[in-house]
Amino acid sequence: QVQLVESGGGVVQPGGSLRLSCAASGFTFSSNGMHWVRQAPGKGLEWVAFLRYDGNNIYYGDSVKGRFTISRDNSKNTLYLQMNSLRAEDTAVYYCVRGSGYGDTSFDYWGQGTLVTVSS
Amino acid sequence: DIQMTQSPSSLSASVGDRVTITCRASQSISTYLNWYLQKPGEAPKLLIYAASSLQSGVPSRFGGSGSGTDFTLTISSLRPGDFASYYCQQSYSMPLTFGGGTKVEI
Repeated sequence: QVQLVESGGGVVQPGGSLRLSCAASGFTFSSNGMHWVRQAPGKGLEWVAFLRYDGNNIYYGDSVKGRFTISRDNSKNTLYLQMNSLRAEDTAVYYCVRGSGYGDTSFDYWGQGTLVTVSS
Repeated sequence: DIQMTQSPSSLSASVGDRVTITCRASQSISTYLNWYLQKPGEAPKLLIYAASSLQSGVPSRFGGSGSGTDFTLTISSLRPGDFASYYCQQSYSMPLTFGGGTKVEI
């Protein structure tokens, strides 16, 4: 069965950096585009970033563009999110999500999420 | 960016009720519209994709319709496990965007 397991969350000071990882299993990781989606405490869902199956097409949400970098290692079945210049408003649960459908722009499997807290 | 507007933001219902949630896009998105359910403390789950296709394993009491800018999620008869938050999402163009959510409460 498809499993996505995030790690790397924690507490970081404003301006700091953090790298999230997502270990994928149960499917051919190199065949799917992958996303990060976040949810601030008590708020709705916000799409963060997308990386195509082959690593060629990358897209970011406006709120993280220039600060976050999505990457993948298909040999390790792992997705990453490097987060720099973190702000209080980046505090959220970050979900690793498998893309599906046309252009892999729907979200069919979600990880359990990892909490990132940006606070001094 | 395509804005997605859901209504209502919350509703109260009873087990067995028929419930309808609407989602409106700021421009035409054809049928590139998905619906998700999220229970407290859990990750979201895909219910409906391409506006009206039921995701594998999802009960048939969930149904979706619409195209262009106006979409509807219908739950034909609410079950206890359906009390949760529901989100629409457009998959037409980047950046991908979600509606603000609808909380279905008892």
